[in-house]
Amino acid sequence: DAGVTQSPTHLIKTRGQQVTLRCSPKSGHDTVSWYQQALGQGPQFIFQYYEEEERQRGNFPDRFSGHQFPNYSSELNVNALLLGDSALYLCASILSGGQETQYFGPGTRLLVL
Amino acid sequence: GDSVTQMEGPVTLSEEAFLTINCTYTATGYPSLFWYVQYPGEGLQLLLKATKADDKGSNKGFEATYRKETTSFHLEKGSVQVSDSAVYFCALSDVQGGSEKLVFGKGTKLTVNP
Repeated sequence: DAGVTQSPTHLIKTRGQQVTLRCSPKSGHDTVSWYQQALGQGPQFIFQYYEEEERQRGNFPDRFSGHQFPNYSSELNVNALLLGDSALYLCASILSGGQETQYFGPGTRLLVL
Repeated sequence: GDSVTQMEGPVTLSEEAFLTINCTYTATGYPSLFWYVQYPGEGLQLLLKATKADDKGSNKGFEATYRKETTSFHLEKGSVQVSDSAVYFCALSDVQGGSEKLVFGKGTKLTVNP
């Protein structure tokens, strides 16, 4: 049973560019959350997708957007990159229907120069 | 809003020492509480959880008890090993309209020396 997978593992971009990160949830999981973890900090909730719609959103600007596909995989898009967007981006998958454990992927490390 | 405050590190211990990492929370309602561990270069792994007051979560020798009266969820282990070296995050669940998000503390880095 494959766990949560994310791609790419590392990425380097320059300010102003756009980036797309990808996540495939655990088999059977239908809900995906995205978190941003700045260096030396705890993860911060960006948003959650369920049934291809954004269900809840954290305190992040509209430059951060997402998408969920019919196979439950998800993308995180960040436009107009800032230096402060450099972080580890974590995807978590959940089986909806209750307070289920969130399973995290290994993350994508984004560096903005 | 809900928040988690955990003991700041880094914490350095010798092998077989006793470990305590303090965690307190502020929340409306009664959230579930979690400890996650992050090994170098990896994502987060759930270490243990407790869903209601007085519950004790345990795993791999680690324990934490949900204390509603002190709004705490301190992590303990009686005898740490070098392999326990990692960053530990305390977190709570914030459920809104059927959607659950995790609110994390800043993390505590643990180094265990042989």
